[in-house]
Amino acid sequence: QKEVEQNSGPLSVPEGAIASLNCTYSDRGSQSFFWYRQYSGKSPELIMFIYSNGDKEDGRFTAQLNKASQYVSLLIRDSQPSDSATYLCAVTGTASKLTFGTGTRLQVTL
Amino acid sequence: GAGVSQSPSNKVTEKGKDVELRCDPISGHTALYWYRQSLGQGLEFLIYFQGNSAPDKSGLPSDRFSAERTGGSVSTLTIQRTQQEDSAVYLCASSSLGSLDSPLHFGNGTRLTVT
Repeated sequence: QKEVEQNSGPLSVPEGAIASLNCTYSDRGSQSFFWYRQYSGKSPELIMFIYSNGDKEDGRFTAQLNKASQYVSLLIRDSQPSDSATYLCAVTGTASKLTFGTGTRLQVTL
Repeated sequence: GAGVSQSPSNKVTEKGKDVELRCDPISGHTALYWYRQSLGQGLEFLIYFQGNSAPDKSGLPSDRFSAERTGGSVSTLTIQRTQQEDSAVYLCASSSLGSLDSPLHFGNGTRLTVT
């Protein structure tokens, strides 16, 4: 079992719709959870982090964490073509090491 | 307020040669990571330095790979006797420790091509 798992996609959503990206992790001791966005040919950039159960909202982005079920998700409201990118889930485990999933490619269509 | 700096940005080398990749983290950041990303793939963890602790080398793919971090700042990733499968973008990232919400700041990467 991979430490951090994501569906590779591509996930295709129409402009203006809600994109839902999911991530599961194996280490129950994980404490911090991050979502990064990576455009083709660029380095990852941080979108959001969350470490408490529940929802955290920042503009059009909402991160959701459920530690009991060991999943974290990212919702993007009013999706725009500029949101088209690969979204990487990252988890800080008990050894404080940050582990990334393989990423989900999002395509926002006109 | 410079970010994470990596050099060179591009490196083309012949199979069998050794290469050194450099990472200069953000000043004051105690954690430093090296990742590798092949075309269209996710981030592959290589090595993790945390302060003065022994580095976590569990991701290094073979003994041809080594890394060091001098004085808790600059890090060098060395690949000996390069192979074509070593071709990838090598990303360095740093973060400050001490809080749960310490995000990684990535450099622009070194694109390594082994011919």
